Amino acid sequence: DVKVTQSSRYLVKRTGEKVFLECVQDMDHENMFWYRQDPGLGLRLIYFSYDVKMKEKGDIPEGYSVSREKKERFSLILESASTNQTSMYLCASSLGGQINYGYTFGSGTRLTVV
Amino acid sequence: QKEVEQNSGPLSVPEGAIASLNCTYSDRGSQSFFWYRQYSGKSPELIMSIYSNGDKEDGRFTAQLNKASQYVSLLIRDSQPSDSATYLCAVIYPAGNMLTFGGGTRLMVKP
Repeated sequence: DVKVTQSSRYLVKRTGEKVFLECVQDMDHENMFWYRQDPGLGLRLIYFSYDVKMKEKGDIPEGYSVSREKKERFSLILESASTNQTSMYLCASSLGGQINYGYTFGSGTRLTVV
Repeated sequence: QKEVEQNSGPLSVPEGAIASLNCTYSDRGSQSFFWYRQYSGKSPELIMSIYSNGDKEDGRFTAQLNKASQYVSLLIRDSQPSDSATYLCAVIYPAGNMLTFGGGTRLMVKP
């Protein structure tokens, strides 16, 4: 089974802090994604990556950046955390290629910014 | 605008009944469709995928796809309280290789 591991289950940070959320997958997937999920707003795509050192903006990239230095690791960075970034953050990965077999999600990080 | 529409619910069914969850999508060229289950406070878990018209069965779950009418549904037979969760429909649009998610339907199975 593909395993997608997010480094923290719960995180509390102060406004203005730089926050790093780490995601590692162990099945050599090409594609990796960062979403946030808020009540009533569903899953919203922040950034995604199709390859090492490659990144593309999703629907809500403002206030975030990403890093993918190795194929298995995709990091989400909150440059200066704000209270409106309090949310559940979900990392996902998938195989590349013509057929998409769906995403595998990590267990999520619930971030609270105070 | 790529859209995947689901009734947010809650859909309430008694234990042992069939739960029917529906999803419509806007792009007729879509080829791949997925159902995810998400328990409260947890991450989504892939439970079914379907790629061609018709039914696909896996245990108590049946996914149904009708491309002409642009809908995909999930039937859960013999519903159990443990099936109570939010079910997300996801579609791959032909222009890219990414999933577009619906807002989810909350299912409540009452003992």
